[in-house]
This record gives sequence, C-alpha cells and structure tokens, in this order.
Amino acid sequence: AQSVTQLGSHVSVSEGALVLLRCNYSSSVPPYLFWYVQYPNQGLQLLLKYTSAATLVKGINDFEAEFKKSETSFHLTKPSAHMSDAAEYFCAVSDPYNFNKFYFGSGTKLNVKP
Amino acid sequence: SQTIHQWPATLVQPVGSPLSLECTVEGTSNPNLYWYRQAAGRGLQLLFYSVGIGQISSEVPQNLSASRPQDRQFILSSKKLLLSDSGFYLCAWRDTTGSRGNTIYFGEGSWLTVV
Repeated sequence: AQSVTQLGSHVSVSEGALVLLRCNYSSSVPPYLFWYVQYPNQGLQLLLKYTSAATLVKGINDFEAEFKKSETSFHLTKPSAHMSDAAEYFCAVSDPYNFNKFYFGSGTKLNVKP
Repeated sequence: SQTIHQWPATLVQPVGSPLSLECTVEGTSNPNLYWYRQAAGRGLQLLFYSVGIGQISSEVPQNLSASRPQDRQFILSSKKLLLSDSGFYLCAWRDTTGSRGNTIYFGEGSWLTVV
C-alpha cells in the first residue's frame, strides 16, 4: 500500500527566497510520484512527476523535485519564490501497477510575503 | 487537446435533499474517471473511480453513489444529503492510452455546502 506525508501544513517564505516543501512517501513497490498545485477555488494542476526515469524532475514555473529512494522523499523546491506561487501544494503517490490508486498528502499551503 | 468540465461550480443544498454533480471529458476515449472529495485541511479522498461504462468502484462507504452512463460522462449522486457531505468535489480523468496514462488530470471542482 502507498501513503504520503507532507510535513508542514503551512509554509511561509519571503519573495525571492528558496521554497522547500517536504514530501515523504511509503510504498511497497517503486512508486510514481507527483506534485500538484491548487489555487483558491480551483482544481489541481500538475506541476511535475517522477516515473522512474531521472531522479531530478523539472516542472513548470521553475519548480523541481528530487526523488531520493534512500530517504523515501520527493521534496519540492524552487530557487526564488514569487507572489504568484502562493497556493496549496499536494504530493501524491501512485502504484505503477494500478494507476487507479492515487494517494494524496494532506497538502501544504504556501504563503509568500512581499 | 483533452478537457474536463464539471458542474455546477457551486451548490447550496438543504439536508435531506438529493445531489447530482456531473463531469464530462472531451478529446479522449475510454478514460478512467474519478471523483474525489476535499474537506478543509484533510487533503483529497478518492470516492469512486470508473474504468468503463457502467463500471464503478467505490473506495469509501457513504451515502454517495456514482454512475457512468456514457464513455466520457461521470455523475456523482446522493438521494439524501448529510451535513458531512459538504466539501469541494473534484472530478478527474486518466488517459488509458499513450504516455499520459500514468497521470490524473483534474476538473475545476464543485463546492457543495449542505445547510
């Protein structure tokens, strides 16, 4: 079975500062991992995904995430935060043998201060 | 390109009333379809998924039901709403062909408030 833990329900950074959102997963098989972003009152948009290719994955809006098997982590980073990055971010894990089983973390709300 | 639409966007319903949320996907065939619920501070909970017309898998026992009358249509229903049914409902789809098959894509969401 798969599960996801996102550390920190709220993260606050200053504009221009590094963004680091943490995600740890549990999976009995090599997982597929995803980060989604949700702006207020909207659906989720895919930011990036790891599907067993390169361990460093680049996504939209300069976000990237690194799959670290030894740490069972898939943390999301961005070198310099913009005000427009303020949103809620969800990490998700999927069983690569059953794509109907998608498990989401509880989300991290990112606040960007001017 | 593929698009997903769900409606209504916002709904306020009294306790005990029925519910119908509808979702359609365009630009693809035989998608897998999903209904998720997002309660405040609790992340996303998978409610139902469907791999084909008339095929529904339920993940969480509750007073909600789902139906798939057509290939690209997915409906979430309830005969009698409870206060605890309030939340943000998200429809999603997955392409079962090609390289996009391992990613789920979401609709805009529907806010349901049960009063």
